[in-house]
Parts: sequence; structure tokens; C-alpha cells
Amino acid sequence: SQTIHQWPATLVQPVGSPLSLECTVEGTSNPNLYWYRQAAGRGLQLLFYSVGIGQISSEVPQNLSASRPQDRQFILSSKKLLLSDSGFYLCSLHTRGGEAFFGQGTRLTVV
Amino acid sequence: KNEVEQSPQNLTAQEGEFITINCSYSVGISALHWLQQHPGGGIVSLFMLSSGKKKHGRLIATINIQEKHSSLHITASHPRDSAVYICAVRAGGTSYGKLTFGQGTILTVHP
Repeated sequence: SQTIHQWPATLVQPVGSPLSLECTVEGTSNPNLYWYRQAAGRGLQLLFYSVGIGQISSEVPQNLSASRPQDRQFILSSKKLLLSDSGFYLCSLHTRGGEAFFGQGTRLTVV
Repeated sequence: KNEVEQSPQNLTAQEGEFITINCSYSVGISALHWLQQHPGGGIVSLFMLSSGKKKHGRLIATINIQEKHSSLHITASHPRDSAVYICAVRAGGTSYGKLTFGQGTILTVHP
């Protein structure tokens, strides 16, 4: 069955520092992968999605970027974090059948 | 107005009570998910529905496509059911299957 590994679980970073969050999946090939963010008191919002290696689409303009260097690896990055980047980041995998699987999430606090 | 609206936002119950959480959406969808998020943040998919009704243990999910409405029921609630329950829809016709999430319902079940 599909498994998503996401790390780290929590992260405290100073403003202006870089960010790299990694998500890897097992048990499937050529998945659609997603990065979502949940800001405090708000629902999950799609940041990026990828339908294949090197293919990244962004839903909202922001300070973040994403990359998919391998079929089962999805990375969320920033060169310089802002306070507003704080939140809960979730990696997700959708199967061709429409099922959704989620990582454990990363709680990022920018100070 | 959000595309996905959940009610209530907060729900407190005594152990053993029957619980209903509602979800209304405003777009045509290909599927609706009910998700459970525990305090640590990780999200688990409970159900994926495109029509009718599904049951898993004490959980029942129903959807009415014509009325654009879904409900999640918990029978004989237990304190371990305490969590945030999130409704999410996948819009019909999207090629990449992104989910649009409700704000979540915070459920607390007291012993």
C-alpha cells in the first residue's frame, strides 16, 4: 500500500533562512503529488502539484518553490523564509483511482 | 463564500452520543473525502464518496450529489474519536485531482 514519508515533523527557522522540506512516497509509481499548507485557523490550501518528474505547477504566488527530482520525491523549498510562511505543511499523494494519502505533516514556525 | 462549508465548526459530545457533521459544497465534484486530523497534525482518509453511502465500523458517510451535501455520522461516540474532521472535494473535470478543503470541525467527546 502507499506510504508517504515527510520530514521533519517540526521546524523552527529564523526569518530570512532557507527551507527544505522533503516528501518521499512508497508503494506506487508515477503518482500525482501535492504540497498543501494550513495556516493557523484556516483550512488546507494547495501550494504546488506535480504529475511527473520535473513537472511542477503552482496554485498561488508565494515565497516558496517546489521540485520533483525523482518520481517518488517531492521537495518544498524557500531561499528566504518570511514570518507569513509559518504553518502546517502537508504532502499528499492521489492515486489514479482518486484515493488520497497524506504525510504526517511539518509544523513550521518562522521566528 | 468558501467552496466547501462545514458545520458545526466546534462540536462537544458525551461518550455514547450520535454525532453528525455536515458538509456543503458549491462546485460540481467527482469525489468527496472525509478526513480525520489528530492533534499531532497527521491526516487520515476516512472515506471517499462519489454517491450514496459508506460505512466503516461506527462511521457512516453519506452524500447527496443533487443537493451538494454530505454528512459524516459517528455512532456510539468515544473519547478517542476526538479530532478535527475535514471535508474535501475534488472538482469534476480537473486533470490533476487537487482537493479543496473545508475549515474542519473540531470534535471533542467527553467520557
